[in-house]
Amino acid sequence: GEDVEQSLFLSVREGDSSVINCTYTDSSSTYLYWYKQEPGAGLQLLTYIFSNMDMKQDQRLTVLLNKKDKHLSLRIADTQTGDSAIYFCAEKGGGSYIPTFGRGTSLIVHP
Amino acid sequence: DGGITQSPKYLFRKEGQNVTLSCEQNLNHDAMYWYRQDPGQGLRLIYYSQIVNDFQKGDIAEGYSVSREKKESFPLTVTSAQKNPTAFYLCATVAGGNTGELFFGEGSRLTVL
Repeated sequence: GEDVEQSLFLSVREGDSSVINCTYTDSSSTYLYWYKQEPGAGLQLLTYIFSNMDMKQDQRLTVLLNKKDKHLSLRIADTQTGDSAIYFCAEKGGGSYIPTFGRGTSLIVHP
Repeated sequence: DGGITQSPKYLFRKEGQNVTLSCEQNLNHDAMYWYRQDPGQGLRLIYYSQIVNDFQKGDIAEGYSVSREKKESFPLTVTSAQKNPTAFYLCATVAGGNTGELFFGEGSRLTVL
């Protein structure tokens, strides 16, 4: 089946930028998502990007999509301790209504 | 407020017992999903329902059962046949339209003693 890969951990210093990377295999992906999960809670959609876009910016968040390499990244500027969470990459192909999730990247922000 | 309510938040059960996790939504979404989350495993799809009175198995349906008698409700039963049921369970709905955005409940943590 289709696959979404992301590294499991990322540690950054408060105030620095964080970059979380994701690769996927489905060449027919139409939507790619970033979800955030705080401890003991459900996931919340942070942002999504349509496959015909290269970049999307929303306040401190920047999403970059390299469709040729099937690579998606999430950059968080000026990372704060409140950004500590698990970040999930997900993709949805045009012929499916069920997204495929990566395993999640635990972002740890230290002072 | 519109949203998804999962209950109970924490549940303990003895081996051999069935347990039912509740998921209720007032978002008027047609599609509902159940996921299981284990540390380092990400989300795995158990069952999903695109419409009332219809549901489909996901990737790990063995040992689970669901029903979808009402649009608002999609309960999940973890049966005694599920060999390793201790996990965090997440219910989600899908908004209409093409974006496929998922809305999640707060989750239920099941521990088998």
